[in-house]
Amino acid sequence: DAGVTQSPTHLIKTRGQQVTLRCSPKSGHDTVSWYQQALGQGPQFIFQYYEEEERQRGNFPDRFSGHQFPNYSSELNVNALLLGDSALYLCASSLAGDPTYNEQFFGPGTRLTVL
Amino acid sequence: AQKITQTQPGMFVQEKEAVTLDCTYDTSDQSYGLFWYKQPSSGEMIFLIYQGSYDEQNATEGRYSLNFQKARKSANLVISASQLGDSAMYFCAMREVQTGANNLFFGTGTRLTVIP
Repeated sequence: DAGVTQSPTHLIKTRGQQVTLRCSPKSGHDTVSWYQQALGQGPQFIFQYYEEEERQRGNFPDRFSGHQFPNYSSELNVNALLLGDSALYLCASSLAGDPTYNEQFFGPGTRLTVL
Repeated sequence: AQKITQTQPGMFVQEKEAVTLDCTYDTSDQSYGLFWYKQPSSGEMIFLIYQGSYDEQNATEGRYSLNFQKARKSANLVISASQLGDSAMYFCAMREVQTGANNLFFGTGTRLTVIP
């Protein structure tokens, strides 16, 4: 049973560039959430996708956008990269439907460095 | 206000001893869930234990137990019989069910080091 996978593992970009990160959820899961984890901090929620739509969004600018495909995989896009976007980007998958317990399974993350 | 507060940036414990990692939370929801995750240096967040706000018993999962004190809004993680492999960052997180939010709020984490 494959867990959550993310690609690429590491990425180096320069300021102003655009980046796309990818995530495949755990088998059977239909919901994907993205988190940004800056060095020395806890993860911060970016947004969540369900049924190919953004269902919920955290306090992140519009430069952060996403997409979910019919197979439930997801992409995170960041435009006009800033130095402060350097972080570990974590993808988490879950199964919608249980309103009281919604364990999120995390992937290994993509470490983005912006120079 | 921070929804999750972890006041211990770092903790040390002797191998085979027990250790408690502190977590306090802030919410006005009556229904919420509390989670603990372990993050080794590889970066992946590993789920350890869950406690629902209406659960009367403290959650336990093997060597992990959650000391849930609802009135004090605390959800401390207790690791018994520490092992060298327990050295990692530990994050407390909360999901507010009543608001319909599906995201997790994380604390800043505690770095646990197990000493041989």
